[in-house]
Amino acid sequence: GQQLNQSPQSMFIQEGEDVSMNCTSSSIFNTWLWYKQDPGEGPVLLIALYKAGELTSNGRLTAQFGITRKDSFLNISASIPSDVGIYFCAGQVILVGTSYGKLTFGQGTILTVHP
Amino acid sequence: GAGVSQSPRYKVAKRGQDVALRCDPISGHVSLFWYQQALGQGPEFLTYFQNEAQLDKSGLPSDRFFAERPEGSVSTLKIQRTQQEDSAVYLCASSPSRLAGTSGANVLTFGAGSRLTVL
Repeated sequence: GQQLNQSPQSMFIQEGEDVSMNCTSSSIFNTWLWYKQDPGEGPVLLIALYKAGELTSNGRLTAQFGITRKDSFLNISASIPSDVGIYFCAGQVILVGTSYGKLTFGQGTILTVHP
Repeated sequence: GAGVSQSPRYKVAKRGQDVALRCDPISGHVSLFWYQQALGQGPEFLTYFQNEAQLDKSGLPSDRFFAERPEGSVSTLKIQRTQQEDSAVYLCASSPSRLAGTSGANVLTFGAGSRLTVL
């Protein structure tokens, strides 16, 4: 089963407001990623974080890789209607003895933006 | 193609039927993953291929689930004797390298998924 605890489960905000969501885990991850999924589509990568403590921005999005490697947050500034969707955090571990990693996803945060 | 293509997009099966879901990864991508996404949940790992080799199938829920990638490109996920609990969206994702995500060059690209409904 999934190991990541993502919160909040849903958010209803007004256009222009800032949004914050986070993920925590009982396990350490090598990489944290944030995805957005629109209805009927697959997840699309928003931000990838590769080092503990890393703070990365992508336009209005900012994400941080927690120093303990067990948490991450995503902030969206000045939200717009097209930000509507489901946001997922995902942690990746590089399996010992292999060169690949598999993702563990959070439960998702449903974002609704009122114009 | 430009992206990961999955077919069929929607499949309705009667309980007990066998189904096959196809994934066409981005051309030349070495790594291919299958994930299962239940309604209202995040995707869960099923299996991983590096070229034609299935290196990890630890996420397959039962022996009714079988995946193959015989020529290292197209992959098929087969579910035998479908059950209602198999209803989910099945996502395929590919990446260019065998190396795990240590840089932006190796991020996964997901397909739109195949939505399976078992009646």
